[in-house]
Amino acid sequence: GAVVSQHPSRVICKSGTSVKIECRSLDFQATTMFWYRQFPKQSLMLMATSNEGSKATYEQGVEKDKFLINHASLTLSTLTVTSAHPEDSSFYICSAIGLAGSSSYEQYFGPGTRLTVT
Amino acid sequence: GESVGLHLPTLSVQEGDNSIINCAYSNSASDYFIWYKQESGKGPQFIIDIRSNMDKRQGQRVTVLLNKTVKHLSLQIAATQPGDSAVYFCAEKKSNTGKLIFGQGTTLQVKP
Repeated sequence: GAVVSQHPSRVICKSGTSVKIECRSLDFQATTMFWYRQFPKQSLMLMATSNEGSKATYEQGVEKDKFLINHASLTLSTLTVTSAHPEDSSFYICSAIGLAGSSSYEQYFGPGTRLTVT
Repeated sequence: GESVGLHLPTLSVQEGDNSIINCAYSNSASDYFIWYKQESGKGPQFIIDIRSNMDKRQGQRVTVLLNKTVKHLSLQIAATQPGDSAVYFCAEKKSNTGKLIFGQGTTLQVKP
């Protein structure tokens, strides 16, 4: 099946710094990638939809200037948490949808990135 | 607002028994429903899906049932094994956007 990777898997940063998380589709091209955030013992909450070559679409309540998303190629999307604060500590998960004609109904999820802000 | 929710936060079953995890959804416009399994510290893993024009779909040891009349979705796991222990999420998909709305999750604990 299709594989999505994330890097890093875990990151600890100091409050006020920025952190970049990468999401890659390893064996397929992804026109659309999604970014989710998951707090402990809670469900996944969609943050934004990222389409290759265009601006991301953010869900209501998600600050676009704080969570910068770039989808520069069909295999890479990045999420940058700017000026991170302890409340941004969470599990960030990306997913990807392949090009039409591939298993277009299925989103392939990455393994997640654990962000801890001290 | 729109929501996809689960009836039980935790389900504990004996190894070898069948498990049934339930989910209620509120958006009748969704045309696609998916069950995911998430182990601790990992991303969600696709289990099985069903389209809204179906009421039942079977996979290997799993069956998903969809009742659109009462907006209810269930996941049945046959002969539950310790490796099935995880959090299970239902999700509904909006076909025009590709977005998934996740339910709250049920923790399945399998006792040996």
